[in-house]
Amino acid sequence: EVQLVESGGGLVKPGGSLRLSCAASGFGFSSYSMNWVRQAPGKGLEWVSSIISRTESIHYADSVKGRFTISRDNARNSLHLQMNSLRAEDTAVYYCARDGYPNGDYHYFDSWGQGTLVTVSS
Amino acid sequence: EIVLTQSPATLSLSPGERATLSCRASQSVSSHLVWYQQKPGQPPRLLIYDASNRATGIPARFSGSGSGTDFTLTISSLEPEDFAVYYCQQRNKWPLTFGGGTKVDIK
Repeated sequence: EVQLVESGGGLVKPGGSLRLSCAASGFGFSSYSMNWVRQAPGKGLEWVSSIISRTESIHYADSVKGRFTISRDNARNSLHLQMNSLRAEDTAVYYCARDGYPNGDYHYFDSWGQGTLVTVSS
Repeated sequence: EIVLTQSPATLSLSPGERATLSCRASQSVSSHLVWYQQKPGQPPRLLIYDASNRATGIPARFSGSGSGTDFTLTISSLEPEDFAVYYCQQRNKWPLTFGGGTKVDIK
């Protein structure tokens, strides 16, 4: 069974940093592109970042470019999101999501974690 | 950036009725349009990928159609568990974008 478990969320002051992690199990992690998607309280979904399995190429939403860094550790089946210079508008539940098919650039999400809440407030 | 506009924002229907949800893209996304369902307190669930392909385990009452800029998600006969928020997403071009969602609630 595919499992994605996020951790690392919490309360942080504006300008602060957090590192989110996603522990993956039940599938060949290294073969899949992985993604972060967030959802502000009561709002819709917003794609944040993707890391592509075959090429290790990386993409970011403009709203986080230069502040967030996505990375993966295939040996530990884990995905990370380093978030710096956090702003109030970064407050959201952050979901880790797996691409829909291995070894390709599919960019839709067939498995999701339960999410971790990040609150940016003074 | 490709903007996805979903309509209506809210759809009030009764169980057994047919639901028709729309997603319009600001430029062509070919057939690279995806639909998700989200219930309160839960992550989204993949329903349809590439406009018309049902994901694993998704009931046949869910169907998708369209290409280019206009897409439709149809639920042929609403079950009680189908009352939720539905989002479309385009995977044709970076940045990936989502529509604002359509809430299907009980009339």
